[in-house]
Amino acid sequence: GAVVSQHPSWVICKSGTSVKIECRSLDFQATTMFWYRQFPKQSLMLMATSNEGSKATYEQGVEKDKFLINHASLTLSTLTVTSAHPEDSSFYICSGGTTTDTQYFGPGTRLTVL
Amino acid sequence: GENVEQHPSTLSVQEGDSAVIKCTYSDSASNYFPWYKQELGKGPQLIIDIRSNVGEKKDQRIAVTLNKTAKHFSLHITETQPEDSAVYFCAASKETSGSRLTFGEGTQLTVNP
Repeated sequence: GAVVSQHPSWVICKSGTSVKIECRSLDFQATTMFWYRQFPKQSLMLMATSNEGSKATYEQGVEKDKFLINHASLTLSTLTVTSAHPEDSSFYICSGGTTTDTQYFGPGTRLTVL
Repeated sequence: GENVEQHPSTLSVQEGDSAVIKCTYSDSASNYFPWYKQELGKGPQLIIDIRSNVGEKKDQRIAVTLNKTAKHFSLHITETQPEDSAVYFCAASKETSGSRLTFGEGTQLTVNP
């Protein structure tokens, strides 16, 4: 199956700093990339959708100035959490979408903000 | 918008038994229904999917059925094994949503040896 990688797999940072998470589709070109966050024992919550070379579309309630998304190529998207605070601590997961609607998910990034 | 409900939230079975997880969706325009398995601390893994032009799909011990009229679809796992223990999510999307998935709340499946 298609493989999506994320880096880093976990990160701990101090409150007020920014953190960048990379998402790469390794063996396919993702026409669309999605970013989710997931709290313990809960479902995936879509944060934003991005297409290569276009501005991301954010879900209602997601601050676009806080969660910066860049989709530079068909195989790379980045999520930057700016001025992180403890409430931003979560499991962030990206996925790559194909023209057949199938989404392949990355392994996730555990963010802990102290 | 689309709403996906998933039942049960937890399911415990004995090894070798079958497990069934059910989902209902609200938007009749939805036409793609994937199932994901998520192990603790990992990302969701696609295990099977079905499109609206098919009523049933099987892959070894896993099968999915779709009833478009009733707007529900189910995941069937036969001959369960301890390694099947995980959280399973159903989801739905439609062509006009740009592959945007709406997820169910998940089912924690525990297979007891």
